[in-house]
Amino acid sequence: DAGVIQSPRHEVTEMGQEVTLRCKPISGHNSLFWYRQTMMRGLELLIYFNNNVPIDDSGMPEDRFSAKMPNASFSTLKIQPSEPRDSAVYFCASIGTSGGGEQFFGPGTRLTVL
Amino acid sequence: GENVEQHPSTLSVQEGDSAVIKCTYSDSASNYFPWYKQELGKGPQLIIDIRSNVGEKKDQRIAVTLNKTAKHFSLHITETQPEDSAVYFCAAFGGFQKLVFGTGTRLLVSP
Repeated sequence: DAGVIQSPRHEVTEMGQEVTLRCKPISGHNSLFWYRQTMMRGLELLIYFNNNVPIDDSGMPEDRFSAKMPNASFSTLKIQPSEPRDSAVYFCASIGTSGGGEQFFGPGTRLTVL
Repeated sequence: GENVEQHPSTLSVQEGDSAVIKCTYSDSASNYFPWYKQELGKGPQLIIDIRSNVGEKKDQRIAVTLNKTAKHFSLHITETQPEDSAVYFCAAFGGFQKLVFGTGTRLLVSP
């Protein structure tokens, strides 16, 4: 099993540009989570999906952030336009119904907005 | 909603010593408490978890205790080794698959 796959691993962009982060959950997992990690705020849940449907997006900071899950094997987190304060590490995690609660995290995308 | 507090934020120990990290939670309905270890440049990885029907769980050098009445749980690492150096996160699970994480503890084990 390849685990949760995220791309890109690093992204450097300029303020105002659109950023798209990608995630492939573990095959068979039916829930997917997007987190943001910063030194100031720690690990924050942005949004999560169950069976490709967004369940809770209360953690999405602003309308500039959007997330989609068009199918069970792919999700995107988009920031448009990006701002320097969006600089952080973004993690994707997935869980299966039989997983007993364990969330499996991907390696993260380190985003730097200049 | 659930709120999780974690202490200390940093912990330095000598190799072979024990390390204890403590967390408190606010929602009495929470019933699952995992601990994650995050190494530099990697995502958090589950190291041990405990459910509300159990008071203690042990896995080799790692143990977790849970006090439901006081709403706190702790991670205990014995015979620490340099490779235990990492950031450790506690979390509480009360809602639909939604985890609330503590702020993390940076553990440094010196040889």
